[in-house]
Amino acid sequence: EVQLVESGGGLVKPGRSLRLSCTASGFTFGDDAVSWLRQAPGKGLEWVGLIRSKTYSGTTEYAASVKGRFTISRDDFRNIGYLQMNSLKTEDTAVYFCSRRIVEATKDAFDIWGQGTMVTVSS
Amino acid sequence: DIQMTQSPSSLSASVGDRVTITCQASQDISNDLNWYQQKPGKAPELLIYDASNLETGVPSRFSGSGSGTDFTFTISTLQPEDIATYYCQQYDNLPFTFGPGTKVDIK
Repeated sequence: EVQLVESGGGLVKPGRSLRLSCTASGFTFGDDAVSWLRQAPGKGLEWVGLIRSKTYSGTTEYAASVKGRFTISRDDFRNIGYLQMNSLKTEDTAVYFCSRRIVEATKDAFDIWGQGTMVTVSS
Repeated sequence: DIQMTQSPSSLSASVGDRVTITCQASQDISNDLNWYQQKPGKAPELLIYDASNLETGVPSRFSGSGSGTDFTFTISTLQPEDIATYYCQQYDNLPFTFGPGTKVDIK
């Protein structure tokens, strides 16, 4: 079965750090980019960032709201993607999703999603 | 950043009705637009990519059209299981951006 499973969410104080994991199964994880997205309670979807595949040098891109605080990495041997979140703010409170970004022919989309993991930043 | 707007923000319709949602981009994005469905408490699911292409396994009652700045998403015959929030998303430029969503429920 093709799936992504996030883990590592929880309650954390402002200014602290948290690392989320995204474990893939059922497909060749290393072939595609991995994106992280989030959804604040009752709000819409926000793209957080992505890491490209090794074919594209594993480069990363970030939303302005997290740049310099969040870091995305990947371990293709273990089929895991990571989101390291530092200097967390209350406004980072959200459900965090990882997703496969598929790019082929005319398709460039988030086609596989994890179930999400909740991050709450509060004192 | 490219801003995405959607209308309406919510709608109620009867089973069997035709439902239409519009999405507008703040600049020309060609066909670089996807549509997602998100049911309560669940992750989004890709329905339409490249503005008008149906994702594998998605029922044919869902369709998309448009190019440039104006796009339309249609459910030809609303079913009870279509209760969800629908989002458009552009991938023409980073950062990827989503519309605010359209919540669809049954009248």
